Amino acid sequence: AQSVTQLGSHVSVSEGALVLLRCNYSSSVPPYLFWYVQYPNQGLQLLLKYTTGATLVKGINGFEAEFKKSETSFHLTKPSAHMSDAAEYFCAVSDRGNFNKFYFGSGTKLNVKP
Amino acid sequence: DGGITQSPKYLFRKEGQNVTLSCEQNLNHDAMYWYRQDPGQGLRLIYYSQIVNDFQKGDIAEGYSVSREKKESFPLTVTSAQKNPTAFYLCASSTRQTEAFFGQGTRLTVV
Repeated sequence: AQSVTQLGSHVSVSEGALVLLRCNYSSSVPPYLFWYVQYPNQGLQLLLKYTTGATLVKGINGFEAEFKKSETSFHLTKPSAHMSDAAEYFCAVSDRGNFNKFYFGSGTKLNVKP
Repeated sequence: DGGITQSPKYLFRKEGQNVTLSCEQNLNHDAMYWYRQDPGQGLRLIYYSQIVNDFQKGDIAEGYSVSREKKESFPLTVTSAQKNPTAFYLCASSTRQTEAFFGQGTRLTVV
């Protein structure tokens, strides 16, 4: 089974600073890769995904992520944090098979300081 | 609008009681999933279903049951055998080519 590791359960940045949230996966075969955002007491919303093609993926709200096969990583970045970015972020993977079974990391809570 | 609807948003369960969480989707997705979310533990898969009348256990199926009689519906029953049911429950759906789409969740509390 796949495993997904998100380094840092809590990350704190100042407004306007770079956001970097880390995600590593365990599979030797590149899976499909996803980042989701969750606001309190709500469901998960997709930020971006990588399935094939260009390894730098742009998503909503100014976020982007880069798939690095050699590092089995898919880190999420945003050049300038906004107060509204404060939320919990989940990295997820799914196998490139006939069925999408999703594996989630344990999440990173992002705090944005004014 | 297409999407996933979970109900109720908040649910309270007494000791020894079974409760059922509803999940309906109008996205025409084949696959549906139930996840449990606890603080600091991410999402853990309870059950999933690829097609109607078929479902498989996930990582933490004990104390839960599901049915998939219609493509649009995947209700989750939390039975009295689940000793620690207080959690946030998320339903999701997908096709082979898409990401998982999530409902807004049901917060279950034991009283």
